[in-house]
Amino acid sequence: KAGVTQTPRYLIKTRGQQVTLSCSPISGHRSVSWYQQTPGQGLQFLFEYFSETQRNKGNFPGRFSGRQFSNSRSEMNVSTLELGDSALYLCASSRGAQGRYGYTFGSGTRLTVV
Amino acid sequence: DQQVKQNSPSLSVQEGRISILNCDYTNSMFDYFLWYKKYPAEGPTFLISISSIKDKNEDGRFTVFLNKSAKHLSLHIVPSQPGDSAVYFCAASALSGGGADGLTFGKGTHLIIQP
Repeated sequence: KAGVTQTPRYLIKTRGQQVTLSCSPISGHRSVSWYQQTPGQGLQFLFEYFSETQRNKGNFPGRFSGRQFSNSRSEMNVSTLELGDSALYLCASSRGAQGRYGYTFGSGTRLTVV
Repeated sequence: DQQVKQNSPSLSVQEGRISILNCDYTNSMFDYFLWYKKYPAEGPTFLISISSIKDKNEDGRFTVFLNKSAKHLSLHIVPSQPGDSAVYFCAASALSGGGADGLTFGKGTHLIIQP
């Protein structure tokens, strides 16, 4: 079966712009989580959506937002981009909420802010 | 404040021998632990997990041990194979508390299997 698909794979944006990243979970998975990976901070939890509702949110500013559609696909939006937002953004899907059955990660979107 | 720590940034092991990757945590609310493996340019791949009601879980060549009193877990890979060369992440979650903080990851250990 198809894995978790993230688009685009690479993105270059300018400071102050906004960006939208997309994630299609594994078919049948209703939970989608987003993580930011940077060399200094490692993998950090952004938020989790389950059945179109944001269930949990990590310690990130309000510039980071997301949503989930009825088909479980999810988008993440970052507004007013800063240089420090340059990172690998990973999406993970799970059958149940809070990854009770384990998360499957996509390959990520590499965002570079210049 | 790192709640999940992997103190060895890298580990080199000879092919066929045992690889032992260690992880320590500080948050006593964590009750579910996972190991992920990551190759460059790919997302992390789930390997094995353990609930805090157990102290050991095995899956083929992979075994995870949990010592709750020491707040320590380890991943054993026996025997180590060249394809095991990757970065290994330890992750923890407080499922009984609703998992509000998602998964908390360590910074990873780069395992290198030498022929």
